[in-house]
Amino acid sequence: EAGVAQSPRYKIIEKRQSVAFWCNPISGHATLYWYQQILGQGPKLLIQFQNNGVVDDSQLPKDRFSAERLKGVDSTLKIQPAKLEDSAVYLCASSLRSYNEQFFGPGTRLTVL
Amino acid sequence: GENVEQHPSTLSVQEGDSAVIKCTYSDSASNYFPWYKQELGKGPQLIIDIRSNVGEKKDQRIAVTLNKTAKHFSLHITETQPEDSAVYFCAAIVSGGGADGLTFGKGTHLIIQP
Repeated sequence: EAGVAQSPRYKIIEKRQSVAFWCNPISGHATLYWYQQILGQGPKLLIQFQNNGVVDDSQLPKDRFSAERLKGVDSTLKIQPAKLEDSAVYLCASSLRSYNEQFFGPGTRLTVL
Repeated sequence: GENVEQHPSTLSVQEGDSAVIKCTYSDSASNYFPWYKQELGKGPQLIIDIRSNVGEKKDQRIAVTLNKTAKHFSLHITETQPEDSAVYFCAAIVSGGGADGLTFGKGTHLIIQP
């Protein structure tokens, strides 16, 4: 079974630039999550989708972050404009449905200069 | 919201010895407690989990215990091996209402000394 795919794996941008990350969940997984992992810390939930609807985006900085999940499959997370403190690994996870094991992708490491 | 504290931040043990990592949580409504292992450059991988209706769960060399009254849970790894070296995260969820994002601890860097 293929795992969660993410791209790109690494991204370096200047502050105030825009960036987008892509996630392809495990086939058939209805629930998709984006987490932000700052160096030396545990992942922090940014947003949760159930199919193509948002379940929880209470910790998403909506003034600069946006996310969508078209057709209930792939998802993109965008930051516009980026700040220095956005430097982190952005992890995508999926699960078959709510309250099941979450499978994580390898993450995208973002560096904002 | 939920807050998860994890200790220690770094743990060094001799190969073959046991390792114990402890976590506490704040929300008494939390009812699902997974443990993840993260290797360098990879995403977290679930190694064991426990639900609030169970006090202990074991899978080969790995066990987790839960004390709901004290709101703490622990990971026990016996007969440690070099491949156990990684960062381990505890997490908690309040399951219900559809939102089940994980709240993670800050992680424990486990070092297995040969």
